[in-house]
Amino acid sequence: AQSVTQPDIHITVSEGASLELRCNYSYGATPYLFWYVQSPGQGLQLLLKYFSGDTLVQGIKGFEAEFKRSQSSFNLRKPSVHWSDAAEYFCAVVGRGSGNTGILIFGQGTTLQVKP
Amino acid sequence: EPEVTQTPSHQVTQMGQEVILRCVPISNHLYFYWYRQILGQKVEFLVSFYNNEISEKSEIFDDQFSVERPDGSNFTLKIRSTKLEDSAMYFCASSAGGLFYGYTFGSGTRLTVV
Repeated sequence: AQSVTQPDIHITVSEGASLELRCNYSYGATPYLFWYVQSPGQGLQLLLKYFSGDTLVQGIKGFEAEFKRSQSSFNLRKPSVHWSDAAEYFCAVVGRGSGNTGILIFGQGTTLQVKP
Repeated sequence: EPEVTQTPSHQVTQMGQEVILRCVPISNHLYFYWYRQILGQKVEFLVSFYNNEISEKSEIFDDQFSVERPDGSNFTLKIRSTKLEDSAMYFCASSAGGLFYGYTFGSGTRLTVV
């Protein structure tokens, strides 16, 4: 069965430092991958997605992610974190067989804390 | 930017009571979804709705659950007889055309069953 693992439940970084959030997936074919962010009191906002093509994907708010098939990973990165990036981050894969409906299978989420 | 609106933001109900969670999707969207997140666990798919009928549902979505789009603008999730384990954050989402069009999520309704 498809699954997504985010190994880090909680990460703390200093403002201005670089960030990498890890995501590993289990999927039999080429996956469709997403990163979402949830700020307190807000809905899940799409940061970026990968369907095919260039394995380095650019998203909103200065985030990028790299699809590495050999490692079954889709890690999220940002070169310099801002205090407003403090939030919960979710990696997700579209479940196989869900067709155009596109059912999302989420990871556990990583809570990012930013130190001043 | 268009939003998916969910009401209420927090609902407390007694075990065994019926609850209706309400969502107003983006007006020209065609696909509608409910997901939930039990505290400390993953966000899980419940149901998708397209063309006025359920298109997919998960094992969680048993006979206690139902969805409706009663008036062309609201999309509701009803839990007939709530259990303690139904306590969770429930997210509504909508999409203009499914997978490749992306999804817009609401900010969620926190349901607490006591």
